[in-house]
Amino acid sequence: DVQLVESGGGLVQSGGSLRLSCAASGFRYSDFWMSWVRQAPGKGLEWVANIKGDGSETYYLNSVKGRFTISRDNALNSVYLQMNFLRAEDASLYYCVRYGYTAAFDLWGQGTMVTVSS
Amino acid sequence: QSALTQPPSASGSPGQSVAISCTGTSSDVGGYDFVSWYQQHPGKAPKLLIYEVTKRPSGVPDRFSGHKSGNTASLTVSGLQAEDEADYYCASYTGTHYYVFGGGTKVTVL
Repeated sequence: DVQLVESGGGLVQSGGSLRLSCAASGFRYSDFWMSWVRQAPGKGLEWVANIKGDGSETYYLNSVKGRFTISRDNALNSVYLQMNFLRAEDASLYYCVRYGYTAAFDLWGQGTMVTVSS
Repeated sequence: QSALTQPPSASGSPGQSVAISCTGTSSDVGGYDFVSWYQQHPGKAPKLLIYEVTKRPSGVPDRFSGHKSGNTASLTVSGLQAEDEADYYCASYTGTHYYVFGGGTKVTVL
């Protein structure tokens, strides 16, 4: 099956760190840009970061630059999001998303929840 | 990186049409033909409905259509059905591999 499965979410204190993982299957993973998109409870979608298929380029939402790092391991068909210095406003459901040939976010995981306590 | 502007809600009776607008600037919606639309049912992940302004992925009914004029894109759902009740989001490329979403529109089928 073509799918993305996230893991690694949880409860963390403000200022703490968390690493999200996403395992891909069913498609030529290294051919695709991959992204993280988040959604705060009851709120809209927000693009967070993306990474090129070979990992050579990364881009970030301004508010997470310098705190979050997106990376990938094509041998393991996985993408990661290292989140440091977490803030209350980072609390969200984080989706792992494929950016497809359609120039759109065409495959979504089910999300992993990040809760930040003060 | 300001969010695109969508109306918070829209509604229509079964069989009717509803249109949702998505307003940006010349730096995003108006500057690129990379506008996409997503449908999200409660507790579910978003699903791609429209890409590159007007195109539908395989499996998406032709009741869903997209359009763009200037800095405003729109999604029209024709022949509304009960299962179309959901949140809808637009998204646009903003250059240099950055992206922005709209705030979302809740569609209610009356």
